[in-house]
Formats: sequence, structure tokens, C-alpha cells
Amino acid sequence: AQSVTQLDSHVSVSEGTPVLLRCNYSSSYSPSLFWYVQHPNKGLQLLLKYTSAATLVKGINGFEAEFKKSETSFHLTKPSAHMSDAAEYFCVVSEGGADGLTFGKGTHLIIQP
Amino acid sequence: NAGVTQTPKFRILKIGQSMTLQCTQDMNHNYMYWYRQDPGMGLKLIYYSVGAGITDKGEVPNGYNVSRSTTEDFPLRLELAAPSQTSVYFCATRGGLAGVLDTDTQYFGPGTRLTVL
Repeated sequence: AQSVTQLDSHVSVSEGTPVLLRCNYSSSYSPSLFWYVQHPNKGLQLLLKYTSAATLVKGINGFEAEFKKSETSFHLTKPSAHMSDAAEYFCVVSEGGADGLTFGKGTHLIIQP
Repeated sequence: NAGVTQTPKFRILKIGQSMTLQCTQDMNHNYMYWYRQDPGMGLKLIYYSVGAGITDKGEVPNGYNVSRSTTEDFPLRLELAAPSQTSVYFCATRGGLAGVLDTDTQYFGPGTRLTVL
């Protein structure tokens, strides 16, 4: 069975400083891994996706994530935070089956001015 | 293209009432999903469908029913609303078509915020 652990429920950074959101996963297969972002009272938007091609994945809005199989991690980073990045971020795993995605509990990113 | 649309955006129900949450997609995707999101939690799968006429239970199906008569529509029915069903409900689609590379990515609607009092 697949599972996802987001290591921080809340992360607070100052505007202009780097962002690191941590995610570990467990899967019996070679999974697809995703990061989704949810702004307040909005739906979920895909940030980026890993599917066994390049281990460093670039997404929208300057975010990127690195897949590390040996550490079973898929951490999300951004070099310089912007106020508009304040949102809830979900790490998600899929083993490709029909029964959907497995979500982490989310990390709330707070950007300090 | 509108993508995935959900109606209503907000609803307040009394205990024991029934309602249907609507989900429509114009992406011609075979796979459709219903999730619920509780405060401080990720999304949990309620039901899913791999095509018209085919549905299956997810992790938390109790208290809900679904049907899939067309590719475009996947309504979620609450028969006897309970306070435990207070949540935000998201519909999602996924390609899953033979020969299409991006079959894992799910695309989400804007959500329906339901309160049961």
C-alpha cells in the first residue's frame, strides 16, 4: 500500500528567502509523485509531477522537487518565496491504479513580509 | 474549455436531508473521482468511476452514493445527511485513455463546501 508523510504541518519563511517543504513516501511500486497547491477557498492546482524520468522536476511559479529513491523523499523547494506562495501544499503519490491518489495531510506555508 | 465544474459552491443541510452534488467535465476523461477534505487533513477518496456505467468504492464511501450514466457527469448523492458529512467535496478527473501519456494526473474542480447542522 502507498502512503505519504509530510514532515511539517506548518512552515513559515520570510519573503525572498528559500522554501523547503518536506515529503516522504512509501510505495511497493515505482510511483508517480505530485505536488498540488491549494490557495484559500480554492480547488487544487497541480504544481509539478514526477514519473520516473528526470529526478529533478521543475514546476510552475518557480517551484521544483527532487526525487530521491534511496531516501524515499520528494521535497519541494523554491529559491525565493513570494507573498502569493502562501497556501496549503499537498504531496501526493499514485501507483497508477484506478483508485485515485493518496494525499499527505498538507503543509501550510506562511510567508512573512 | 471549462474543465471540471461543480455545483453548488456552498450548501447548508439539516440532519436527515438529502442532496446531490453535481460534477461535470468537458475533458473527455474516462476516470472521475469524488474526494472529501476535512480540516487539517488531506483528501480522502469516496467513490470513483473508470467509465460510464462503472463505479467503485473508495476509502470512505459510507453515507454516499454515485452514478455515472455519461462520460461527462458524475453526481454524488447524500441520502441522510449527518454532521460527520460536513466537509469540502472535490470532484476530479483523469485521462486514462490508451496511448495518452499523461494518465496519472488528476484535475480538480473548485469544490463544494457542505455544512450539516
